[in-house]
Amino acid sequence: NAGVTQTPKFQVLKTGQSMTLQCAQDMNHNSMYWYRQDPGMGLRLIYYSASEGTTDKGEVPNGYNVSRLNKREFSLRLESAAPSQTSVYFCASREGTRGRNQPQHFGDGTRLSIL
Amino acid sequence: AQKVTQAQTEISVVEKEDVTLDCVYETRDTTYYLFWYKQPPSGELVFLIRRNSFDEQNEISGRYSWNFQKSTSSFNFTITASQVVDSAVYFCALRAGNNRKLIWGLGTSLAVNP
Repeated sequence: NAGVTQTPKFQVLKTGQSMTLQCAQDMNHNSMYWYRQDPGMGLRLIYYSASEGTTDKGEVPNGYNVSRLNKREFSLRLESAAPSQTSVYFCASREGTRGRNQPQHFGDGTRLSIL
Repeated sequence: AQKVTQAQTEISVVEKEDVTLDCVYETRDTTYYLFWYKQPPSGELVFLIRRNSFDEQNEISGRYSWNFQKSTSSFNFTITASQVVDSAVYFCALRAGNNRKLIWGLGTSLAVNP
């Protein structure tokens, strides 16, 4: 039972470098999400995809782009990394069609450091 | 406006003590859903429970129990006879009305000391 798989688990970048964080889920979920978690800030939504083919901005989308490649995969791209993007990134998925009470299921996170 | 407040930033208890984590929510929607998640030191986020606004029945799962009170807009989480393995950050979250997104509290960090 893989659930939600994020790669890589750790990454160090230099300022200005680009990077794509990968996320895949095997639960046939419709909705997928990208969050960042910073100390004292809780979880903040970057982008989400309610269904295959759609993406929407969350609270903190600046500096990021996303691609919902297919139903399984939702990638997050940093085009020009900045130190302020140092964070732990979480991908989540949710079934999405059986009611709003369905919980989100999370990957293990990617720890990203920008020097 | 929709909001989730977890007023307790950090709690420290000794093993076997009971501890309650508070969650207060705000929404004008009559239909909403509340969730609790656990984030242990290893970092993953684990779903614990969900509750619908039209179901105020409290729930117990082993040492864990949840008290949902619409009158006070609270969905509190109690751990009975806490154990070191309960040490984690606990998040409360709200989905309300047609909002596709979860509104998250900032979390409560629970340390259970031997």
